[in-house]
Amino acid sequence: LAKTTQPISMDSYEGQEVNITCSHNNIATNDYITWYQQFPSQGPRFIIQGYKTKVTNEVASLFIPADRKSSTLSLPRVSLSDTAVYYCLVGDNAGNNRKLIWGLGTSLAVNP
Amino acid sequence: NAGVTQTPKFQVLKTGQSMTLQCAQDMNHEYMSWYRQDPGMGLRLIHYSVGAGITDQGEVPNGYNVSRSTTEDFPLRLLSAAPSQTSVYFCASSSGLLSEQYFGPGTRLTVT
Repeated sequence: LAKTTQPISMDSYEGQEVNITCSHNNIATNDYITWYQQFPSQGPRFIIQGYKTKVTNEVASLFIPADRKSSTLSLPRVSLSDTAVYYCLVGDNAGNNRKLIWGLGTSLAVNP
Repeated sequence: NAGVTQTPKFQVLKTGQSMTLQCAQDMNHEYMSWYRQDPGMGLRLIHYSVGAGITDQGEVPNGYNVSRSTTEDFPLRLLSAAPSQTSVYFCASSSGLLSEQYFGPGTRLTVT
């Protein structure tokens, strides 16, 4: 099963770019990498998903190197409202079982 | 669309009591899942369903039962609550196995 490792916490300031890296050394060929954001007392919310190279949407970019053993979530020009926990998720479908492995999350604090 | 709804928001049980956590989605998603979230543990998958009438165990299924009689509903049953089941429970739905998951607001359960 593919496990993920992320930094426990990060600090930033408004207007800066924030990069959060997730390590997933045992990622399987068919696995996708997905990132979620979670605010206190709420369920996680999807941010972005990718398989290789670079994916960009209106809120973030996801960089995946060729070996796919890590990925980096990039948040451009963060604001106070980006203070949240960010989870890296690697899809792992072992046969008919769905064992999606969630990392412990990175707690991002954006300061004024 | 209401998305994913969960009831109740909060619940206190005594050891040995039973209860059902309700989850419903109005997006016609085939996949539904139950997670528990404990401090320092990230999200762990309890049970999941790939369609009406089909359920399977996740990472931590012991002490919980599920059923999926309709596409919309996916209740989680605790037959005999234990203090170790004190947690925040999230229900999620998605259109595919690794597709974006939509989470409910969560149920905070305390077992004394």
